Amino acid sequence: KAGVTQTPRYLIKTRGQQVTLSCSPISGHRSVSWYQQTPGQGLQFLFEYFSETQRNKGNFPGRFSGRQFSNSRSEMNVSTLELGDSALYLCASSLMTGALLYGYTFGSGTRLTVV
Amino acid sequence: AQRVTQPEKLLSVFKGAPVELKCNYSYSGSPELFWYVQYSRQRLQLLLRHISRESIKGFTADLNKGETSFHLKKPFAQEEDSAMYYCALIANSGNTPLVFGKGTRLSVIA
Repeated sequence: KAGVTQTPRYLIKTRGQQVTLSCSPISGHRSVSWYQQTPGQGLQFLFEYFSETQRNKGNFPGRFSGRQFSNSRSEMNVSTLELGDSALYLCASSLMTGALLYGYTFGSGTRLTVV
Repeated sequence: AQRVTQPEKLLSVFKGAPVELKCNYSYSGSPELFWYVQYSRQRLQLLLRHISRESIKGFTADLNKGETSFHLKKPFAQEEDSAMYYCALIANSGNTPLVFGKGTRLSVIA
């Protein structure tokens, strides 16, 4: 079965612009979580969606937002980009919210570079 | 709040030597713990989880609630074990997100 698909793989944006990243979970998975990965901070949790509802939110400014559609696909949006937003953005899907029993399956990520 | 600490950013060992990647956690409730691995140019993948008591690729991890630790161990390191390793925690209730440590890069020297 297909894995978690993230598009695009790479993005270069200018400060002040906005960006939308997309994630298609594994078929049948209803939970999607987003993480920001940087060399200094590791993986930091952004938000989690389950059945189109945001279940949890990390400590990121309001410029970071997301949503989930009825087919479980998810998008995250970052507005007014800053240089510090440059990172690898990872999406993870799971059968159930919280990934307690099943763990998460991660996508390859979207590498965002802000110049 | 949940917190996961991996005290070593980089760990270098010789091939055939034992490996121990340290993970300490802070959580007032009952946690479930995981180890994830990211090989070069590959996506992050689940290595093992405490709840299933698995042993994957020779790695094991024991939860020590008294010391709030979940160290990852392997008796004999192999070159292909070189990767980034992340310890992660989730509340037993399943209502909180998966929280990761900052990771330890393991380098196995031939």
